Amino acid sequence: GDSVTQMEGPVTLSEEAFLTINCTYTATGYPSLFWYVQYPGEGLQLLLKATKADDKGSNKGFEATYRKETTSFHLEKGSVQVSDSAVYFCALSDRSGNKLVFGAGTILRVKS
Amino acid sequence: DAGVIQSPRHEVTEMGQEVTLRCKPISGHDYLFWYRQTMMRGLELLIYFNNNVPIDDSGMPEDRFSAKMPNASFSTLKIQPSEPRDSAVYFCASTPRATNEKLFFGSGTQLSVL
Repeated sequence: GDSVTQMEGPVTLSEEAFLTINCTYTATGYPSLFWYVQYPGEGLQLLLKATKADDKGSNKGFEATYRKETTSFHLEKGSVQVSDSAVYFCALSDRSGNKLVFGAGTILRVKS
Repeated sequence: DAGVIQSPRHEVTEMGQEVTLRCKPISGHDYLFWYRQTMMRGLELLIYFNNNVPIDDSGMPEDRFSAKMPNASFSTLKIQPSEPRDSAVYFCASTPRATNEKLFFGSGTQLSVL
């Protein structure tokens, strides 16, 4: 079945450091891909998405490119802030397009 | 709009008791999802509804779990009887159409079964 694999955390960075969180997927066909973020005590929020190969999703300084050849959707940010501390989830839409399959989540901690 | 509203925010109960979690989706959203989040298993889809009809309940762990959506503005997830391994954060989410649209999550219910 469809699945998403994320790098294990926690990831601890200093403010203004470069961030990469790896995400790879297994799916039939060409799913849409998503990054969701969960701030402490809150529900998940959509951060960015890409719907086809080579698309780049971006929001709030975060970017991710849909790489069909490597089945990857890595999340990057050039300069993280303390306020970026959260749990980040990679996800894909299944074949029906009606369900999201989530990765396990990666905890990001940014120190000042 | 107030967003997806879940209640209670926290629930502590004893093993064997019945637990009912509640969700009010965003008005006009045709799809409603129930997820469970644990450290061990991450975020799991339990069940989802389209226009109040259950479409896929393959993620419901066992018969102790049941979910209903009597109308477009209300859904419940019930666990009877509850067990300590049910302790988790339960999220409700809604979306206007299929999941290629943005999912809107509630703040979750933290359930502890002692």
